[in-house]
Amino acid sequence: GENVEQHPSTLSVQEGDSAVIKCTYSDSASNYFPWYKQELGKRPQLIIDIRSNVGEKKDQRIAVTLNKTAKHFSLHITETQPEDSAVYFCAATLVGDFGNEKLTFGTGTRLTIIP
Amino acid sequence: DTEVTQTPKHLVMGMTNKKSLKCEQHMGHRAMYWYKQKAKKPPELMFVYSYEKLSINESVPSRFSPECPNSSLLNLHLHALQPEDSALYLCASSYRTGDYGYTFGSGTRLTVV
Repeated sequence: GENVEQHPSTLSVQEGDSAVIKCTYSDSASNYFPWYKQELGKRPQLIIDIRSNVGEKKDQRIAVTLNKTAKHFSLHITETQPEDSAVYFCAATLVGDFGNEKLTFGTGTRLTIIP
Repeated sequence: DTEVTQTPKHLVMGMTNKKSLKCEQHMGHRAMYWYKQKAKKPPELMFVYSYEKLSINESVPSRFSPECPNSSLLNLHLHALQPEDSALYLCASSYRTGDYGYTFGSGTRLTVV
């Protein structure tokens, strides 16, 4: 089965600086890589995702890059703000014929933005 | 409607009780999931219902049993749970044609006493 490793486990960044979180996956067949943000006591929320036919995707201050050869993908947050403080999870899966996604999550990164 | 609704939000149950968690979505998603999340850990997949087919994580004990009455509803029946089953139980749905990505419900925080 799929195995996803995520680093670092904690990250503190000065407000306005950039943050980078990295994940590696084991199953070369995986074709979908979402990132979730989870604030304390709340549900995980999808913030950005990337499919295996794309190398990079950007949405305002958030970007994700994918290197299929090396089997790793990264989340980049620029111009960080206090509201970016949360736990971030990467995930990987092979989206099947019926569209179901059995996500395997990374262990999470606790991001703290220092005002 | 762009939400996954879970009830109850909190549940305290004894080890001899039987209870059910409920999940509902009206986004036309054809796959629904139950995840378990312990504190400071990532969500772990328990069950998937996709196009009326059940897929089970084999590590999930039989005291948890899912039920899918229709494509919009997913229940999780609980029986004879153990204190270590205390966790946040998250329901999610996915797959509308052309769309990937889960929508999670707000979860049920379960405490087994």
